[in-house]
Amino acid sequence: GQNIDQPTEMTATEGAIVQINCTYQTSGFNGLFWYQQHAGEAPTFLSYNVLDGLEEKGRFSSFLSRSKGYSYLLLKELQMKDSASYLCAVRDSDTGGFKTIFGAGTRLFVKA
Amino acid sequence: GAVVSQHPSRVICKSGTSVKIECRSLDFQATTMFWYRQFPKQSLMLMATSNEGSKATYEQGVEKDKFLINHASLTLSTLTVTSAHPEDSSFYICSARELAGVHNEQFFGPGTRLTVL
Repeated sequence: GQNIDQPTEMTATEGAIVQINCTYQTSGFNGLFWYQQHAGEAPTFLSYNVLDGLEEKGRFSSFLSRSKGYSYLLLKELQMKDSASYLCAVRDSDTGGFKTIFGAGTRLFVKA
Repeated sequence: GAVVSQHPSRVICKSGTSVKIECRSLDFQATTMFWYRQFPKQSLMLMATSNEGSKATYEQGVEKDKFLINHASLTLSTLTVTSAHPEDSSFYICSARELAGVHNEQFFGPGTRLTVL
């Protein structure tokens, strides 16, 4: 089976840096995604990691350690519009294909 | 990026009726589409994986006779909620995987908010 854990809520200040952690357990790991979701909207893709290390994309970076079953999403120079839920998702290989399982999400509040 | 559309975006129906939700990949072919359900302040729960031309694979606890999935073409999958009840009220989101994509990433539709009275 699969298990994905991430903090329920986090609060940070505009202009600061925040790190959202995610730990996972899966039988057939095939990649980890981070998505951003604003209330009432569908998730939007942020990052993808399949090998260990850091992937940087503008203000957003994502890190993966497969041996530790651990990832984090790093957001720099926080803006008010970054207030949203951040979903950690793991793609798991299954018989005949793959499926992506989502964590419960971390609600980030950015304050002025 | 690739675009996935859903129709309708919002539907209100009476208890006992059936509701059909369409999911289309607009500019790419998707042999696999996923259907998720999301309750308020909760994460996405995978309901089923839909493969073009074959039967859908349902997750444990999801009634296949209640949530009918059809994936008749490479760009269209439909989810029909049969005999809907108030507890079926939720945000239903489809996702399609682009096989030719760089990361085989999934693109999400905008979601359908279903309210059953």
